[in-house]
Amino acid sequence: EAGVAQSPRYKIIEKRQSVAFWCNPISGHATLYWYQQILGQGPKLLIQFQNNGVVDDSQLPKDRFSAERLKGVDSTLKIQPAKLEDSAVYLCASSGDNYGYTFGSGTRLTVV
Amino acid sequence: AQKVTQAQTEISVVEKEDVTLDCVYETRDTTYYLFWYKQPPSGELVFLIRRNSFDEQNEISGRYSWNFQKSTSSFNFTITASQVVDSAVYFCALSLNAGNMLTFGGGTRLMVKP
Repeated sequence: EAGVAQSPRYKIIEKRQSVAFWCNPISGHATLYWYQQILGQGPKLLIQFQNNGVVDDSQLPKDRFSAERLKGVDSTLKIQPAKLEDSAVYLCASSGDNYGYTFGSGTRLTVV
Repeated sequence: AQKVTQAQTEISVVEKEDVTLDCVYETRDTTYYLFWYKQPPSGELVFLIRRNSFDEQNEISGRYSWNFQKSTSSFNFTITASQVVDSAVYFCALSLNAGNMLTFGGGTRLMVKP
């Protein structure tokens, strides 16, 4: 089966600019997650979707971050405006009925 | 709230040595799942194992073994006869229910030198 696809792989932007990341989960996986992994730390959940509804976005900085999952499939995570501390790897993961989590390769964001 | 602690931030061993990565977790729930992931330099998270809280049997898979002890809230990971390819960051994680968010520890960077 195809894995979780993410793009772009790398992104460099200046602070105060906006950026968007895209994720295509494994086909049939109802649950989709976005994690933020700052260098030297473990991933931290930003938002969890069940189909196209939000289950948990308590740790999403809503003043600058937004995410959507149209039609319960692909998802987009946006940052506007970006800050230096947003430099991190953004990981998308999906899970299905077998309770396994599959992670994408991530998008490495550098804010300068 | 859940918490996962990996006290060892970095471990360095020489090839063929055995190494144990520690993981201690905190949760008030009686049903939970514990995971180990490997993150090589390429960045993706590679699934290694999942255990549920009702199964305390230790598990062995090739050179990898896991020791789950509810009495000490620990889920330690041992690599026997380490190899250079084992060099990576290893994360322990916990979720309360199947399909729920993962709470990760801070990770342990393992360096295996030839």
